[in-house]
Amino acid sequence: DAKTTQPNSMESNEEEPVHLPCNHSTISGTDYIHWYRQLPSQGPEYVIHGLTSNVNNRMASLAIAEDRKSSTLILHRATLRDAAVYYCILSGTGANNLFFGTGTRLTVIP
Amino acid sequence: EAQVTQNPRYLITVTGKKLTVTCSQNMNHEYMSWYRQDPGLGLRQIYYSMNVEATDKGDVPEGYKVSRKEKRNFPLILESPSPNQTSLYFCASSPYRTGGNYGYTFGSGTRLTVV
Repeated sequence: DAKTTQPNSMESNEEEPVHLPCNHSTISGTDYIHWYRQLPSQGPEYVIHGLTSNVNNRMASLAIAEDRKSSTLILHRATLRDAAVYYCILSGTGANNLFFGTGTRLTVIP
Repeated sequence: EAQVTQNPRYLITVTGKKLTVTCSQNMNHEYMSWYRQDPGLGLRQIYYSMNVEATDKGDVPEGYKVSRKEKRNFPLILESPSPNQTSLYFCASSPYRTGGNYGYTFGSGTRLTVV
């Protein structure tokens, strides 16, 4: 399975945008880019996913580089509730598993 | 509300005493999976199921059993728990048997302590 690389931690001020980067230089043509987050004492929560085009939903936006070797999760206005570990995961069609790495721990400063 | 429900949330047991952690989903999902989460090791898959009566091993299946007799339920069975199975367990489900274009829904977790 192709790997992803994320910073261990990031900080953001409350109500400011947050850009969480992810590198996946060995991504294959059929790999989808998924983002999950895990709030303290909770299970992972699906955030967004995409294949080639940028994606928006009520939680966040996903910007995918043209060569697909990197992507960025964008939280438009960070709130204290967004403090969590964010995981960037590649999932190919036919995959039986999601491989979670260590993710990025986002701290939101009031 | 669409959800994956795990029970119990917390469990303390003794070595060798059989236990079952239940998982149920109300979304008619075909795919279900069990993960364990340990500090420094992230989430690791224990078993998964593509549909009723179709289960297979994940990355760390030793010491665990599962069954999928009904689409909605996917219990995790520890026949003879040992202290190294002390962990945080998560059940997940997804609409279809293939990955890729479908997100997973996770339960809230079961924190198991084996003494």
